[in-house]
Amino acid sequence: DAGVTQSPTHLIKTRGQQVTLRCSPKSGHDTVSWYQQALGQGPQFIFQYYEEEERQRGNFPDRFSGHQFPNYSSELNVNALLLGDSALYLCASSLYGPDTQYFGPGTRLTVL
Amino acid sequence: AQSVTQLDSQVPVFEEAPVELRCNYSSSVSVYLFWYVQYPNQGLQLLLKYLSGSTLVKGINGFEAEFNKSQTSFHLRKPSVHISDTAEYFCAVSDDVNTGFQKLVFGTGTRLLVSP
Repeated sequence: DAGVTQSPTHLIKTRGQQVTLRCSPKSGHDTVSWYQQALGQGPQFIFQYYEEEERQRGNFPDRFSGHQFPNYSSELNVNALLLGDSALYLCASSLYGPDTQYFGPGTRLTVL
Repeated sequence: AQSVTQLDSQVPVFEEAPVELRCNYSSSVSVYLFWYVQYPNQGLQLLLKYLSGSTLVKGINGFEAEFNKSQTSFHLRKPSVHISDTAEYFCAVSDDVNTGFQKLVFGTGTRLLVSP
């Protein structure tokens, strides 16, 4: 049983560019959450998707957007990249409801 | 708004010694509590969780934690650590216990350094 997978593993972009990160949830899970983990910090909640809709959002600007597909996989898009967007981006999947979130290995984004 | 405080940024300990990593949370409602571990250059792995019931929770790798509602704490313990326990440990809380959608609020992490 595959766990949560994310691609790519690493990514280098320059300021102003746009980036798309991808996540496949654990088999059977229907809810995907995204977190940003800056160096030396705990993860911060970006948003959560269920039934292809954004259900909750953290304190992140509109430059951060997402999508969930019918197969429950998800994308995180970040526009107009800033140096401060450099971080490890973590995807977590779960079942709808009070369920445990299981995390993927993350995508390390570096913005130069 | 809920928040999590991990009182120690770094905890050095010798191999086979006991360890306690402290976590306090603030929330006015019922909560779910979690401890995750992160090894270098990896994602987060769930160690244990408290959803309801017994306040002493046992997890993987010999770790356990105790939920104390009056002190709003959820400290993580292990009676005897190994070199391989060296990692970053994160405490997290979710207070969306009555909704379908949960977001986790994490502490800043505690680095456990185990030396021989």
